[in-house]
Amino acid sequence: QVQLQESGPGLVKPSQTLSLTCTVSGDSISSGDYYWTWIRQPAGKGLEWIGRIYTTGRTNYDPSLRSRVTISLDTPKNQFSLNVSSVTAADTAVYYCARAGVGEQNYFDSWGLGTLVSVSS
Amino acid sequence: QSALTQPASVSGSPGQSIAISCSGTSSDVGAYDAVSWYQQRPGTAPRLILFDVSNRPSGVSDRFSGSKSGNTASLTISGLQADDEADYYCTSYTATSALDVVFGGGTKLTVL
Repeated sequence: QVQLQESGPGLVKPSQTLSLTCTVSGDSISSGDYYWTWIRQPAGKGLEWIGRIYTTGRTNYDPSLRSRVTISLDTPKNQFSLNVSSVTAADTAVYYCARAGVGEQNYFDSWGLGTLVSVSS
Repeated sequence: QSALTQPASVSGSPGQSIAISCSGTSSDVGAYDAVSWYQQRPGTAPRLILFDVSNRPSGVSDRFSGSKSGNTASLTISGLQADDEADYYCTSYTATSALDVVFGGGTKLTVL
């Protein structure tokens, strides 16, 4: 059974870079037909899709965040990471990593527990 | 503004059945049998409860069922229980962009 776990600082200063890592167990991020995805949820609001990376390293990002977001794979550690640059208070949210299938199977079948990141000086 | 439209809230009493709608377009919900639903209890991560409109992952109660008509999908919960109180989100595959997934804004279910 695949498990995902987010990790990273819970507090980031405005204008700095938010960096999170998702550690995957029970599956290899470098094989299989999956997208490894980041989703966030501001307090009291709905789910916001940030971006994803395929097992080959190909990425897709939400257009509104594309200029500030980078997602990368660390296959030896079976991890994938999220960087969001030039953060503001609007980036304060619970950040989730999730696994999604490809094409019409693009539902999110496994999720991490989530990690709260606050942007504040 | 979310691409898929869900009611902000629904409510029901224990034992009753409720339905949550998820309205899209002929480019997403109406075009593919690729709607999924997620349950998010307070303070927890979302959990997949239905995929491909009506398929349940292993371990999900058969009280949860799904259907689709035209551009609208629906999640039905029968025999409502107190621990069904949660937020519910729908998503759909779409071929209109490289991102290929659209989200609903979520529905808060209150069990009275």
